[in-house]
Amino acid sequence: QVHLVQSGAEVKKPGASVKVSCKASGYTFTTYAIHWVRQAPGQRLEWMGWINPVNGNTKYSQNFQDRVTITRDTSASTAYMDLTSLTSEDTAVYYCARRVSATCFDYWGQGTLVTVSS
Amino acid sequence: DIVMTQSPDSLAVSLGERATINCKSSQSVLYSPDNRSYLAWYQQKPGQPPRLLIYLASTRESGVPDRFSGSGSGTDFTLTISSLQAEDVAVYYCQQYYSPPYTFGQGTKLEIK
Repeated sequence: QVHLVQSGAEVKKPGASVKVSCKASGYTFTTYAIHWVRQAPGQRLEWMGWINPVNGNTKYSQNFQDRVTITRDTSASTAYMDLTSLTSEDTAVYYCARRVSATCFDYWGQGTLVTVSS
Repeated sequence: DIVMTQSPDSLAVSLGERATINCKSSQSVLYSPDNRSYLAWYQQKPGQPPRLLIYLASTRESGVPDRFSGSGSGTDFTLTISSLQAEDVAVYYCQQYYSPPYTFGQGTKLEIK
């Protein structure tokens, strides 16, 4: 069955960068887009961006435009989310999710907690 | 950006009773070519990722119990749980995926009365 498995929790200092991975299994990786969503403590879910695994094309939320980069390695069926210039406001659980066209996000990774603290 | 607003923020319902959650978008999420509203509902329990319940406003995801139903079109939507079960205690989110950024509502916390 379909699984999205994310990398483990991270603790970063302000100003640092973090890279979270999302390994897909149980389906053909290039068939569906991968999106990234984050959830800060007590906050609503926030969409960050997505990647087309076929050609690597991306689209990002303006809220993260200059700080986020989403990439993929099709040979490893893995997507990556890189966030730079971290502040305490970036402390959150980061999720990857698969989008199946009109169905929206049908499978989600387990989440990766990123804590930014001096 | 399309702003999604849910009501109420929290809700307490007795077991076996109906629970209704509303979601309003700041602009229409109806896609004219197929006349479908690109609105989804998710359930999130503590420590878990969101679970897709409903997509295209009213289509139940595979494996979701039929006590969950979605309705609405354009800008106004409703998630209904016809007979509340203990395992339905969770936070529920609506999301528009009509136009990026794909925004979520603030969530509605559902508890047992």
